[in-house]
Amino acid sequence: EADIYQTPRYLVIGTGKKITLECSQTMGHDKMYWYQQDPGMELHLIHYSYGVNSTEKGDLSSESTVSRIRTEHFPLTLESARPSHTSQYLCASSAPPGTGARKLFFGSGTQLSVL
Amino acid sequence: AQTVTQSQPEMSVQEAETVTLSCTYDTSENNYYLFWYKQPPSRQMILVIRQEAYKQQNATENRFSVNFQKAAKSFSLKISDSQLGDTAMYFCAFMKHEDNQFYFGTGTSLTVIP
Repeated sequence: EADIYQTPRYLVIGTGKKITLECSQTMGHDKMYWYQQDPGMELHLIHYSYGVNSTEKGDLSSESTVSRIRTEHFPLTLESARPSHTSQYLCASSAPPGTGARKLFFGSGTQLSVL
Repeated sequence: AQTVTQSQPEMSVQEAETVTLSCTYDTSENNYYLFWYKQPPSRQMILVIRQEAYKQQNATENRFSVNFQKAAKSFSLKISDSQLGDTAMYFCAFMKHEDNQFYFGTGTSLTVIP
């Protein structure tokens, strides 16, 4: 059902590396989100965007940054990865109010391991 | 602020039996949406069922139904005829009607036992 894609699915990297997690959706949704989730745990909102050139930090402090240059693309970047960044990162999008489809669509997630 | 509480970290059910997952929430809003999301071991989160607060009728999707008690701020999920594929984490979520923020509970890990 979901037309939202995340790459890579799994990533293992060394400390200090710069990484970008990709997220794209083909539904034309203006709202996009990044959540961080440890195994079997709750979701924490780390970034969100309400449209092109709009980005906000979420409830959980994160050293990552995001950009929204195109509606369909919402990448997340870590300038210098650390072991504490090891986690599952979930990208999501939602349709605008009034569309009758108020729900979150999730990507498959990126499991990041920093050694 | 909105909060969502799932008081059952783990549950199990025998295959073909019925199980109910609990969720309560706190809000001063009158118009909102409630959701149950499922996250199987493969980890992609999918929507199970959605309820609009202004609708009194409980939502139903095949074997999944909810018991929505607006006054009590309760939104439980009932899974009938449980199947092995129902094994997953289940998250309850809340969204204000004209907002774009989703508030999630801490999740309930459900295991269906053969």
